[in-house]
Amino acid sequence: GEDVEQSLFLSVREGDSSVINCTYTDSSSTYLYWYKQEPGAGLQLLTYIFSNMDMKQDQRLTVLLNKKDKHLSLRIADTQTGDSAIYFCAETGSSNTGKLIFGQGTTLQVKP
Amino acid sequence: NAGVTQTPKFQVLKTGQSMTLQCAQDMNHNSMYWYRQDPGMGLRLIYYSASEGTTDKGEVPNGYNVSRLNKREFSLRLESAAPSQTSVYFCASSEEGGRVGYTFGSGTRLTVV
Repeated sequence: GEDVEQSLFLSVREGDSSVINCTYTDSSSTYLYWYKQEPGAGLQLLTYIFSNMDMKQDQRLTVLLNKKDKHLSLRIADTQTGDSAIYFCAETGSSNTGKLIFGQGTTLQVKP
Repeated sequence: NAGVTQTPKFQVLKTGQSMTLQCAQDMNHNSMYWYRQDPGMGLRLIYYSASEGTTDKGEVPNGYNVSRLNKREFSLRLESAAPSQTSVYFCASSEEGGRVGYTFGSGTRLTVV
């Protein structure tokens, strides 16, 4: 079956790097995504990576994909208090209907 | 720049009452989705509509019905609300296939007492 797992909580100091990890089960996923949810708001797409890529960098964000281990990570460099939020990993799975399977979300707490 | 609009933002229902959550998008997206978010469980798909005129069940469809009224609008109906349906409900839309991800609404916080 399709499943996405994340750790539930991460705490870092302002200025440090944050690494949020995700494992998924469906190796046929074409795209993998990271979403950010701020308190009281909907989810906002941060970045996505195509399954034939190993890495994608976008300003302070670096996404690493290890297809062999079915492991996805999001690194946030120079973490700021404004980065405090819940981060969701998601995969497309084997369906071509556009359905996404989400992880439970990782709450990132950034301490000043 | 409205994107995906959900109404209402908050609602309290009594057990057994019915209500419809409304969702509209102005991005000409083909696909629309309804998810519920519960603490520690991430987002679970209730129903989705891959294109106008089609709807399909997701992971947790029991107790819900949907209507894809037209390309813009996708509503979620609770016929007889139960406390287990207390949750935050999100509507989302995407281009066909969802390859560039979803655009989410801001959510409806529903409490059933």
